[in-house]
Amino acid sequence: QVQLQESGPRLVKPSETLSLTCSVSGFSITSGYYWGWIRQPPGKGLEWIGSIHHTGDTSYNASLKSRVTISVDTSKNQFSLRLTSVTAADTAVYYCARHGSGQWLTSFQQWGQGTLVTVSS
Amino acid sequence: EIVLTQSPGTLSLSPGERATLSCRASQSVYGNFLAWYQQKPGQAPRLLIDVTSNRATGIPDRFSGSGSGTDFTLTISRLEPEDFAVYYCQQYGTSLSFGGGTKVEI
Repeated sequence: QVQLQESGPRLVKPSETLSLTCSVSGFSITSGYYWGWIRQPPGKGLEWIGSIHHTGDTSYNASLKSRVTISVDTSKNQFSLRLTSVTAADTAVYYCARHGSGQWLTSFQQWGQGTLVTVSS
Repeated sequence: EIVLTQSPGTLSLSPGERATLSCRASQSVYGNFLAWYQQKPGQAPRLLIDVTSNRATGIPDRFSGSGSGTDFTLTISRLEPEDFAVYYCQQYGTSLSFGGGTKVEI
């Protein structure tokens, strides 16, 4: 059974870069699915950040595209998120998830537990 | 970007009652590619319904989805205590976007 686990710093200073990694177990990241990042500010709704295929193909939310990079490390069965120039508005629970198929235009079938990242000096 | 508007914001009901949640899109959702998720406090969202009306694996049949174009509905036929949660719709016909959520409370 696929399991996803987010890891990375829980506190990031304003203007710095947020970096998170999603470790996938029980399932090969090269099995053809897309993998995504979604965030949720405290008490608010969900926002898709972007998604990646093991081939390196990526799709990003247009509102975040200038600050986001998603990458994949197939040797470690992981994918990662970098968000630059963060502000307090980037404080959120960040989830990694697996899409439902080999396309990024699908639902999210499996989710990590999420990790709260706070942007504060 | 397709904006999804969910209503009502909060639905106050009792166990055994029927819940009807609405998700309205700012433009037609291509392919009716719309999903519903359930989220409980402190937990990740869980996929309930895919492609408007297909229940995900293990989802009880009291959950049903319907709709097309710009108007979609999630119905819970008889609320169980574990169904009190926040529900989100998501479209994936044109890029990806989520609705703002509906809280179903006792």
